[in-house]
Amino acid sequence: DADVTQTPRNRITKTGKRIMLECSQTKGHDRMYWYRQDPGLGLRLIYYSFDVKDINKGEISDGYSVSRQAQAKFSLSLESAIPNQTALYFCATSDMTGPEQYFGPGTRLTVT
Amino acid sequence: AQSVSQHNHHVILSEAASLELGCNYSYGGTVNLFWYVQYPGQHLQLLLKYFSGDPLVKGIKGFEAEFIKSKFSFNLRKPSVQWSDTAEYFCAVRNYNTDKLIFGTGTRLQVFP
Repeated sequence: DADVTQTPRNRITKTGKRIMLECSQTKGHDRMYWYRQDPGLGLRLIYYSFDVKDINKGEISDGYSVSRQAQAKFSLSLESAIPNQTALYFCATSDMTGPEQYFGPGTRLTVT
Repeated sequence: AQSVSQHNHHVILSEAASLELGCNYSYGGTVNLFWYVQYPGQHLQLLLKYFSGDPLVKGIKGFEAEFIKSKFSFNLRKPSVQWSDTAEYFCAVRNYNTDKLIFGTGTRLQVFP
């Protein structure tokens, strides 16, 4: 779905490096989310933002930080990447009027 | 804490077989329920959703799901699967008060011709 884009799509980085994953949306939604997907664990919420001034921790926020630069942009940072942060990361958006979420294509991150 | 359970982790079927994937949730309040599908190498797409009203919900590609409040269940069904249904399926529940989605661990479906 081109309405929600993520960059980069794939990234290999080394332990200790800082990395930023970016998400942009053209859906005009106020709410944005970051999830990580691991085999057998499903999707787990890292951070979410209900508007530009609202940032909330999800269930697995340790080791991550976020920035909501604008309504359309929500970035996820790994300050010092570690191997167990190797995963598929998804950004999602939703509107206040409807709870269904719309997902971006994902970023596959490998930390060596 | 609210949770979603998908008991079938991996399902293997032949084409034309019937499908039922289980989903149970733990929250007793008002919920919205969803099934998402993730085709190989792709992002999650909404398959169907339940908010209120008729507990039998029809989605895209011939899928349907039934909300049974007394059983805290929202099972996904399809009468006759196709090879193109090979994907991972996620059940999710929205907590009406916190407005967050809680996802199950997913069920991997493989359909062989």
